[in-house]
Amino acid sequence: DAGVIQSPRHEVTEMGQEVTLRCKPISGHDYLFWYRQTMMRGLELLIYFNNNVPIDDSGMPEDRFSAKMPNASFSTLKIQPSEPRDSAVYFCASANGGRLSYEQYFGPGTRLTVT
Amino acid sequence: AQSVTQPDIHITVSEGASLELRCNYSYGATPYLFWYVQSPGQGLQLLLKYFSGDTLVQGIKGFEAEFKRSQSSFNLRKPSVHWSDAAEYFCAVALPNFGNEKLTFGTGTRLTIIP
Repeated sequence: DAGVIQSPRHEVTEMGQEVTLRCKPISGHDYLFWYRQTMMRGLELLIYFNNNVPIDDSGMPEDRFSAKMPNASFSTLKIQPSEPRDSAVYFCASANGGRLSYEQYFGPGTRLTVT
Repeated sequence: AQSVTQPDIHITVSEGASLELRCNYSYGATPYLFWYVQSPGQGLQLLLKYFSGDTLVQGIKGFEAEFKRSQSSFNLRKPSVHWSDAAEYFCAVALPNFGNEKLTFGTGTRLTIIP
């Protein structure tokens, strides 16, 4: 298996633009997690899905952020409009069910820079 | 609320020396406990996990961790480090309740290996 795939790996955009980050989880995994990593705040869980259904989005910072999982093999995290404080590395992770949901497989991340 | 503390931000050890990274948690009950490693420019990888039972758990890459209930700790150890162990290490906890698959990560400990 190729592991969790994220695209793009790097994104540079101007403030006010829409940004879409993409994730393909490991085939057969039931859970998908979106995290944000910054020096100041560390690793934060933004939202997670179980069987394509959002379970907990309490970590989504504000309405500018939205996430979808239209099918088991694809998820997006969208920021509209983007702001400089959104600059971070965004990780997608996937996992199986039960206690295995804690054994998360992370993608390589998308480094987002908003100027 | 559950929390996890990694008191050491940065540790430097010589190649071949032993290593211990500290992790403490604050929670009413014993949570599930994990150690993840993040190599530069990559996502996190699970090193080992503790759910219950034997308090000394073995992981990948020669790492082990010991759960000590009396100290609310789950320290990571390795008897002899290799240059390839240079990375950032994250302790994580999870609340073992149905319907909660969230991990809470510590702030991380950066490990530097010197020749």
